[in-house]
Amino acid sequence: DAGVIQSPRHEVTEMGQEVTLRCKPISGHDYLFWYRQTMMRGLELLIYFNNNVPIDDSGMPEDRFSAKMPNASFSTLKIQPSEPRDSAVYFCASSLYSQETQYFGPGTRLLVL
Amino acid sequence: AQSVTQLGSHVSVSEGALVLLRCNYSSSVPPYLFWYVQYPNQGLQLLLKYTTGATLVKGINGFEAEFKKSETSFHLTKPSAHMSDAAEYFCAVSENSGYSTLTFGKGTMLLVSP
Repeated sequence: DAGVIQSPRHEVTEMGQEVTLRCKPISGHDYLFWYRQTMMRGLELLIYFNNNVPIDDSGMPEDRFSAKMPNASFSTLKIQPSEPRDSAVYFCASSLYSQETQYFGPGTRLLVL
Repeated sequence: AQSVTQLGSHVSVSEGALVLLRCNYSSSVPPYLFWYVQYPNQGLQLLLKYTTGATLVKGINGFEAEFKKSETSFHLTKPSAHMSDAAEYFCAVSENSGYSTLTFGKGTMLLVSP
């Protein structure tokens, strides 16, 4: 398997623009997680899905952030409008069971100017 | 609720020296415990995990960790550090119940000097 795939790997945008991050989980994994990593706050869980249904979105910072999983092989994290404080590395991870090993993608490094 | 504490945000060792990264957890039920490693500009990679059975767990790259229930600890060790071990290490805990997911510690940066 190719592992968790994320795109783009790098994104530079201007404040106010819409940003869409994409993730393809490992085939057969029922759980998908979105994380944000910054120097100040470390690794934060934003939201996770089970069988394409959002289970816990309590980590989503504010209404500017939204996530969808239209099918088992694709998820998006959207920021609209983006702000400089959203600059971070965003990771997607997937797992077979919620409490078991999570497999991480390479991340998307987002810079909002 | 589960939680993880990693003692020391940075640990420095010399090449060839023992590596010891500390992790303590809290969990209301028997935990699953994990160590992940993150190399610069990469995602997190599983190093080793404990679910049930033998309390001494061996992982990749010569690392091992021991689950000590009485101490609620899961410290990571390696007998001899190599320059390539320089990375950030994350301890994580989950519970074998319901919708439990992994809770990560804040990470420990391992610095290895020649």
